[in-house]
Amino acid sequence: KQEVTQIPAALSVPEGENLVLNCSFTDSAIYNLQWFRQDPGKGLTSLLLIQSSQREQTSGRLNASLDKSSGRSTLYIAASQPGDSATYLCAVGGAKLIFGTGTRLQVFP
Amino acid sequence: DTAVSQTPKYLVTQMGNDKSIKCEQNLGHDTMYWYKQDSKKFLKIMFSYNNKELIINETVPNRFSPKSPDKAHLNLHINSLELGDSAVYFCASSQVQGGPSGNTIYFGEGSWLTVV
Repeated sequence: KQEVTQIPAALSVPEGENLVLNCSFTDSAIYNLQWFRQDPGKGLTSLLLIQSSQREQTSGRLNASLDKSSGRSTLYIAASQPGDSATYLCAVGGAKLIFGTGTRLQVFP
Repeated sequence: DTAVSQTPKYLVTQMGNDKSIKCEQNLGHDTMYWYKQDSKKFLKIMFSYNNKELIINETVPNRFSPKSPDKAHLNLHINSLELGDSAVYFCASSQVQGGPSGNTIYFGEGSWLTVV
């Protein structure tokens, strides 16, 4: 049974810092991995999708890596801004998406 | 123009009532989903439909019944509501079910259900 864990559960950083969010999964037989952002009272917004054959994806200040063999993914956020404050969720894809419990990020000015 | 829209956004109802949440997507996707996010913010799939056919049915009480009149709509009916049904319910859609070429999944903004 696939289990997805995200560490840390919460993170508070000053504006401008580079930071790394971690996601680990127990079954490496995945098709893809997605990172989402959830703002309070809102739905989820897809940030990056990494296919199982890929090692990383980049979008603006975001970079996500995937290491299937070790069951890990990281989301790197460069030069963090207060607008990045949200909960970040990773989800591994097979026949269905299995979500982690999220990292709640706060970036203060 | 909202891609995945669900109504109502907020719903407060008494135990034992029957309620429905509607979902529509205008992305032309073949697959739609219902997810439940509990009080601990854990998000879990409930159902998945591909072109109006039920594909995934997780261990969900049969009081929950999805209905897909066409591939752009997936409604969720809940009978005999219980206190434990209080949660946020998210509708979502994607081009294909998943698999090796799994596509980005798009979520609605959620429906906050409170059972009192």
